Amino acid sequence: GQQVMQIPQYQHVQEGEDFTTYCNSSTTLSNIQWYKQRPGGHPVFLIQLVKSGEVKKQKRLTFQFGEAKKNSSLHITATQTTDVGTYFCAGAGGFKTIFGAGTRLFVKA
Amino acid sequence: EPEVTQTPSHQVTQMGQEVILRCVPISNHLYFYWYRQILGQKVEFLVSFYNNEISEKSEIFDDQFSVERPDGSNFTLKIRSTKLEDSAMYFCASSETSGMNYGYTFGSGTRLTVV
Repeated sequence: GQQVMQIPQYQHVQEGEDFTTYCNSSTTLSNIQWYKQRPGGHPVFLIQLVKSGEVKKQKRLTFQFGEAKKNSSLHITATQTTDVGTYFCAGAGGFKTIFGAGTRLFVKA
Repeated sequence: EPEVTQTPSHQVTQMGQEVILRCVPISNHLYFYWYRQILGQKVEFLVSFYNNEISEKSEIFDDQFSVERPDGSNFTLKIRSTKLEDSAMYFCASSETSGMNYGYTFGSGTRLTVV
């Protein structure tokens, strides 16, 4: 079945440093979504990428979708303490969206 | 901003008992989902529901589980004969379309503890 792999599992950064999480799918995706989950919270939708090679930006966050539509990345520039949480990629197919294992981001002030 | 509402926020039940987790999706959304997250682990797909029937389900969603939309607003997940390993956070989500064009809106979850 469809699998979505995400690395790294954890990332510790100093406030102001950049952060990147990578997502790979075993199959070609129709789209990829990114979610953020704060500790103790629920996943919150950030963005969806649909087109091959698509790049989208939300302030300090840059999302990319690979040309083959099998991988994606989220890059945060100059992290802030408010960025802490777990970032999940999720690949859509059919009537379900499969989540990666997530990358938990720790930001030290 | 519209919300997905889940009740209860926390449920403790004895092993072997039945539980019903309730969700009120966003009113104009057509697709509904249940996911679960065991503490510290990934968000796992259980089932999707559209047009009053199951669209897709995972291997986790066996005969122990069932979903229902008893009226125009509620969406429920029933777990029969709960097991210890059913302890997890259960999230309900809804979307306007099948997710092809829109992300999911998640509820705050129900923490199920089976003792």
